Amino acid sequence: QKEVEQNSGPLSVPEGAIASLNCTYSDRGSQSFFWYRQYSGKSPELIMFIYSNGDKEDGRFTAQLNKASQYVSLLIRDSQPSDSATYLCAVTPNDYKLSFGAGTTVTVRA
Amino acid sequence: DTEVTQTPKHLVMGMTNKKSLKCEQHMGHRAMYWYKQKAKKPPELMFVYSYEKLSINESVPSRFSPECPNSSLLNLHLHALQPEDSALYLCASSQPRDRGTYNEQFFGPGTRLTVL
Repeated sequence: QKEVEQNSGPLSVPEGAIASLNCTYSDRGSQSFFWYRQYSGKSPELIMFIYSNGDKEDGRFTAQLNKASQYVSLLIRDSQPSDSATYLCAVTPNDYKLSFGAGTTVTVRA
Repeated sequence: DTEVTQTPKHLVMGMTNKKSLKCEQHMGHRAMYWYKQKAKKPPELMFVYSYEKLSINESVPSRFSPECPNSSLLNLHLHALQPEDSALYLCASSQPRDRGTYNEQFFGPGTRLTVL
């Protein structure tokens, strides 16, 4: 079983719609959960992190965490073409290591 | 300043060359990382320095040699690389959790390495 699994893409959504990205993790001891956005040819950019159960909102992004289900998600509301990128879910199973999922590529079509 | 810088942006080297990648951060972070990323794959951790000491080496071949001269600088020395080592090399930094953070890691722009 992989440490972090993301829903397979690619995900194509129309402009203005909600993009929903899902991620599950295997290590119950994980404490911090991150979403990175990576444009083609660029480095990952941290867009959200969450560490307690529930929802965390930042602008058009909402991260949701359910530790009992070992599940973390990212919602992108009012999707824009500039949101087209690969989204990486990452989990911290120990003090330093980030375990990444394979990534989900999102395309927002105008 | 929330920036991690890396030089060079691009590097082409032969299998017999020796080169170095450089990384710098001025966020006062005390943990720094090297990652390797191949096309369409997530970053893979190579090394972690915490408080200028090597704390994690993910079984990386000895042709990659990290160095942390001080708390804001991180180098990766390259020697006798193979074509399969061609990748994007990413540096990241964070404040360790013993400083009361959640270890949010911030990445530099990367060095695109091609080994001929």
